[in-house]
Amino acid sequence: EAQVTQNPRYLITVTGKKLTVTCSQNMNHEYMSWYRQDPGLGLRQIYYSMNVEVTDKGDVPEGYKVSRKEKRNFPLILESPSPNQTSLYFCASSKLGYNEQFFGPGTRLTVL
Amino acid sequence: DAKTTQPTSMDCAEGRAANLPCNHSTISGNEYVYWYRQIHSQGPQYIIHGLKNNETNEMASLIITEDRKSSTLILPHATLRDTAVYYCIVMGSGGSNYKLTFGKGTLLTVNP
Repeated sequence: EAQVTQNPRYLITVTGKKLTVTCSQNMNHEYMSWYRQDPGLGLRQIYYSMNVEVTDKGDVPEGYKVSRKEKRNFPLILESPSPNQTSLYFCASSKLGYNEQFFGPGTRLTVL
Repeated sequence: DAKTTQPTSMDCAEGRAANLPCNHSTISGNEYVYWYRQIHSQGPQYIIHGLKNNETNEMASLIITEDRKSSTLILPHATLRDTAVYYCIVMGSGGSNYKLTFGKGTLLTVNP
């Protein structure tokens, strides 16, 4: 089944404790992206990647890192999480040249 | 600036057609109309897209007016599982970033 998976689905952590949210897709998509969704602010892009080893900042990259060492994986790294990074996070992927994006199920992160 | 305008909410009876309107009066010639939906806190889901011709797939139909300034998404036989926020998005194909910018969308409630 074609899908985007994210792990963990739920995470409660404390300020400053490094964490990684994994994202994997099995559709051989070149493009992958991370969004966060907050009430009243809609979906905001954090980082995106057009292909392996090619990443770029979205609208709200501060406090986040990403890497794209393999085509299928695009982990989101929070080196020192803060409470303002409490949010619902989505990973998405698509083929280049197409705007039909496939989204993961979401990761609900709470930073205390 | 909002590129699309949608009603905040709509109701539909189960089994009836749901017709969701979207105004995009400033759409340019190479921009497509995309529809996504998001069931509560789940990942957004691509539904359909079109340029100027009407389109149909297994989920829905998309009717675009001849002047392309508005469109209607039609769910032919709405079910309770179609209750979601529906987003109409205008964007060009391809490009350097496939960032999705969701507005407030239309909350469609399908009633038994």
